[in-house]
Amino acid sequence: DGGITQSPKYLFRKEGQNVTLSCEQNLNHDAMYWYRQDPGQGLRLIYYSQIVNDFQKGDIAEGYSVSREKKESFPLTVTSAQKNPTAFYLCASSSTRLSSYNEQFFGPGTRLTVL
Amino acid sequence: QKEVEQDPGPLSVPEGAIVSLNCTYSNSAFQYFMWYRQYSRKGPELLMYTYSSGNKEDGRFTAQVDKSSKYISLFIRDSQPSDSATYLCASSNFGNEKLTFGTGTRLTIIP
Repeated sequence: DGGITQSPKYLFRKEGQNVTLSCEQNLNHDAMYWYRQDPGQGLRLIYYSQIVNDFQKGDIAEGYSVSREKKESFPLTVTSAQKNPTAFYLCASSSTRLSSYNEQFFGPGTRLTVL
Repeated sequence: QKEVEQDPGPLSVPEGAIVSLNCTYSNSAFQYFMWYRQYSRKGPELLMYTYSSGNKEDGRFTAQVDKSSKYISLFIRDSQPSDSATYLCASSNFGNEKLTFGTGTRLTIIP
């Protein structure tokens, strides 16, 4: 089955620790995205990548880092510099064909809680 | 001012009613307008998208965009309990650019 997987589903972290959230897709999509979702704030873009070995900051990149070494994978690291990391994190991917709208497909999400 | 504004609700309606969900946007460059449905603790899934102004219908769902007033609507006819979810509107400049989301409206259909 084609799709996006995120792991783990639930993650607990102590203050001061870095954690890495996994996102893998087998849809052969070029573009991948990380969003953060908080109650009452909708989805906010953290980072996105449209091609391997290249990525851009979104609206709330501070305290986060990403890498894109493989087309299928776009891990997100939440660093200790992120002051309020408790949130629901969503990964998405899309193709980059220029001729039509390219739907963003979302993974099931990772709920991160800082203890 | 947020680029996409959406009433967070919550909104509760009886089964079978017509539901109207709305958003406004401020960026005149937005060309694509989407509605995503998100069930509790799940990732969003695309319901419908519209390019520029006009209506688009898919079964019980109708999406409507009025670019002159910067208004986005989603109508659900014959609402069902399974429609209970959070509905997110989103917009983008181009089809494969980053999306700007509204805050989402939590909808409950009462049997």
